[in-house]
Amino acid sequence: AQSVTQPDIHITVSEGASLELRCNYSYGATPYLFWYVQSPGQGLQLLLKYFSGDTLVQGIKGFEAEFKRSQSSFNLRKPSVHWSDAAEYFCAVGAQNQAGTALIFGKGTTLSVSS
Amino acid sequence: EPEVTQTPSHQVTQMGQEVILRCVPISNHLYFYWYRQILGQKVEFLVSFYNNEISEKSEIFDDQFSVERPDGSNFTLKIRSTKLEDSAMYFCASKRETSASFFGPGTRLTVL
Repeated sequence: AQSVTQPDIHITVSEGASLELRCNYSYGATPYLFWYVQSPGQGLQLLLKYFSGDTLVQGIKGFEAEFKRSQSSFNLRKPSVHWSDAAEYFCAVGAQNQAGTALIFGKGTTLSVSS
Repeated sequence: EPEVTQTPSHQVTQMGQEVILRCVPISNHLYFYWYRQILGQKVEFLVSFYNNEISEKSEIFDDQFSVERPDGSNFTLKIRSTKLEDSAMYFCASKRETSASFFGPGTRLTVL
């Protein structure tokens, strides 16, 4: 079955500390991978995407993610977290070569930032 | 920067009533989607729309739901007879052929 797993429901990180949010996927086709962020009451904003090529992708707001095919993972990282990064983060997967295929989302990880 | 817009931002309705949620996708996008997020749960796919027809739908998208692109800009989701369990945040999204999906800010539907 196709699925996305985000093992951490809630993470608290001190401001200035590094962050890693985990994402594992199970997908029959070659995947496109995405991270979205949702602030309270807001929509989903695209942080970054992986389609092909370099497995380390850079996104907005200083985030990066690394695609590891052997581990079926696409973990999100940031070297130094800011208080404004507190939000919910969703990992999502879609199918390559099937342009219209819908995304499958993980359940999300809520990030809290302590001062 | 172009963005997906949705109206209304919040809709309150009585059980059994019809609601129409509206979306204006990004103008040069070809694929349109509706997703929903029940409070505290993950984002779930409802339906995709391409070339003026439904291309894919989930088991959630039953006969109570319909979508329409009535003109060149709007994309609507209609729920014919709302149920309590339809209360959720509904997101519209659009994309080009090979791009990420861009999401609107959502419509919060509350069914009383």
